[in-house]
Amino acid sequence: EDKVVQSPLSLVVHEGDTVTLNCSYEVTNFRSLLWYKQEKKAPTFLFMLTSSGIEKKSGRLSSILDKKELFSILNITATQTGDSAVYLCAVNQGAQKLVFGQGTRLTINP
Amino acid sequence: EAGVAQSPRYKIIEKRQSVAFWCNPISGHATLYWYQQILGQGPKLLIQFQNNGVVDDSQLPKDRFSAERLKGVDSTLKIQPAKLEDSAVYLCASSHVSSDYEQYFGPGTRLTVT
Repeated sequence: EDKVVQSPLSLVVHEGDTVTLNCSYEVTNFRSLLWYKQEKKAPTFLFMLTSSGIEKKSGRLSSILDKKELFSILNITATQTGDSAVYLCAVNQGAQKLVFGQGTRLTINP
Repeated sequence: EAGVAQSPRYKIIEKRQSVAFWCNPISGHATLYWYQQILGQGPKLLIQFQNNGVVDDSQLPKDRFSAERLKGVDSTLKIQPAKLEDSAVYLCASSHVSSDYEQYFGPGTRLTVT
């Protein structure tokens, strides 16, 4: 059975801290891995990763993929209260079929 | 560019009633998806359309759920009759055909079945 597992499920930190969110996967077909941020509405796209070892970066957020060990991490540095959200990891199995993890709920306290 | 539109945003019904959700994808996006997201879980794909054809409906409970995209643009998802366990957020997403494009999500419809 295809599965995507995220950890931790929940994380509470103080503003300014650095956090690392984890995503591991076991799927029959792999084309890419995507990270989304979900606040009280639609998930919004953050990164798409297709190659191992190449870091994608956007401001304080960065992500990297390890296709040998079948995982990805999402790093957020100098966290702000606006980073509070559920972060979703999904694997694209091809033909645009996404399998999502259960999400990590991140809370940033001022 | 306008985003994915969904309506209604919230719906409360009693079990065994029927409900329908509507989605209008981003203009030019041939592929449309309906997801079910139960509280505390990630979205689960219910059905995927490419233009007006079904690509994947393997996880759609076909005894009570149906979906259509007759003209290859708007789509409706129906539940008849609803069960308590159908309480969830129903997300619509769209994308270009190629697997190299990310999916864009609508705001979702929060369904509560009592």
